[in-house]
Amino acid sequence: DTGVSQDPRHKITKRGQNVTFRCDPISEHNRLYWYRQTLGQGPEFLTYFQNEAQLEKSRLLSDRFSAERPKGSFSTLEIQRTEQGDSAMYLCASSLAGTGNQPQHFGDGTRLSIL
Amino acid sequence: DQQVKQNSPSLSVQEGRISILNCDYTNSMFDYFLWYKKYPAEGPTFLISISSIKDKNEDGRFTVFLNKSAKHLSLHIVPSQPGDSAVYFCAASANTGNQFYFGTGTSLTVIP
Repeated sequence: DTGVSQDPRHKITKRGQNVTFRCDPISEHNRLYWYRQTLGQGPEFLTYFQNEAQLEKSRLLSDRFSAERPKGSFSTLEIQRTEQGDSAMYLCASSLAGTGNQPQHFGDGTRLSIL
Repeated sequence: DQQVKQNSPSLSVQEGRISILNCDYTNSMFDYFLWYKKYPAEGPTFLISISSIKDKNEDGRFTVFLNKSAKHLSLHIVPSQPGDSAVYFCAASANTGNQFYFGTGTSLTVIP
């Protein structure tokens, strides 16, 4: 049983550069979520997809951020013109949509450091 | 505004004793609550959940209690083991499958 996979695990880049992260969810999961976590805080919701449709976006997701899930499988999160404040752990999670509540299962995250 | 709060940043417990981690929430629309465990350099791992129609859910050494009137939940770990040392996050959601709101975490240390 393969869990949620995120790539890369670490990304260091200069301010102003663009970065893209990838998430591969658990294969039978049709819901995919992106969260951001900074030091001393819990994960904060950014956006979520059901299949290929992006159904909800947080106000934290500025217009420099874009997420896609083109075929309803893997997802990418792109940050354009990175800023110091974008330094964080970016977590992806997936779950099954269905009757009743379902837990979200997380990957190990991508740690972004902006120089 | 923090809708889910964990007011104890850290907790130390002797091996074999009970660990009690607490969580409070403010949104009365929350109907699903979860606990996650996180080791350094790893993502959060799902531990146990409870729906608002219940007040207790058990899974092995882990029990979650929900007090809706007080908007409070707790996680009991009995007996505590050194491998339980981690950061524990509580989370809540208001409807099926949407975003989870997380607390700031409690770092549990189980002393051998």
